[in-house]
Amino acid sequence: GQQLNQSPQSMFIQEGEDVSMNCTSSSIFNTWLWYKQDPGEGPVLLIALYKAGELTSNGRLTAQFGITRKDSFLNISASIPSDVGIYFCAGQLKEAGSYNTDKLIFGTGTRLQVFP
Amino acid sequence: DTGVSQDPRHKITKRGQNVTFRCDPISEHNRLYWYRQTLGQGPEFLTYFQNEAQLEKSRLLSDRFSAERPKGSFSTLEIQRTEQGDSAMYLCASSLRGFEQYFGPGTRLTVT
Repeated sequence: GQQLNQSPQSMFIQEGEDVSMNCTSSSIFNTWLWYKQDPGEGPVLLIALYKAGELTSNGRLTAQFGITRKDSFLNISASIPSDVGIYFCAGQLKEAGSYNTDKLIFGTGTRLQVFP
Repeated sequence: DTGVSQDPRHKITKRGQNVTFRCDPISEHNRLYWYRQTLGQGPEFLTYFQNEAQLEKSRLLSDRFSAERPKGSFSTLEIQRTEQGDSAMYLCASSLRGFEQYFGPGTRLTVT
């Protein structure tokens, strides 16, 4: 199935450091979403982005919808141990014609490990 | 808790058996989605409903898979004649407007 390119694949950082991850595609997206998933659980929605260039924050998290509508990034500031998990980007493709799909296409995930 | 719920959380079945999973969406959400996630991958879309109408199905949804949402509330996903390749986490999500999708805890299926 189709998946977005997400990088880095994994990150090992010290508590207190800032983190940045991104998602890219060759296709145009109407929305970008960022999720966090813990082992054995479903993804939890962190941030939703709706317009090109939009910059949105949720506590220590900041995400941006790329101007070209083909990419997005997520920053986490001052990381803490509970930030550990897998982060996924997801987006809704801009389809040809007037049909807008609800289907989310997910990235390959970034595994974050935080050391005290 | 008013989030998305899924039942069962874990299912172990023998190859060739049929299995059925249930999803209860957030109460005011009219859109419901099924995704499948294999180890090390992001979720992949299977199908979605707006109220009781099934609006889109992925090519991943073979003839052995069927999903229903009879009264526009809960949904069931049935897999007939399970194969080892069906082993995965089956995730359900719901949404009010189609943009922000909220996921349930998933059903982990193991086919032996």
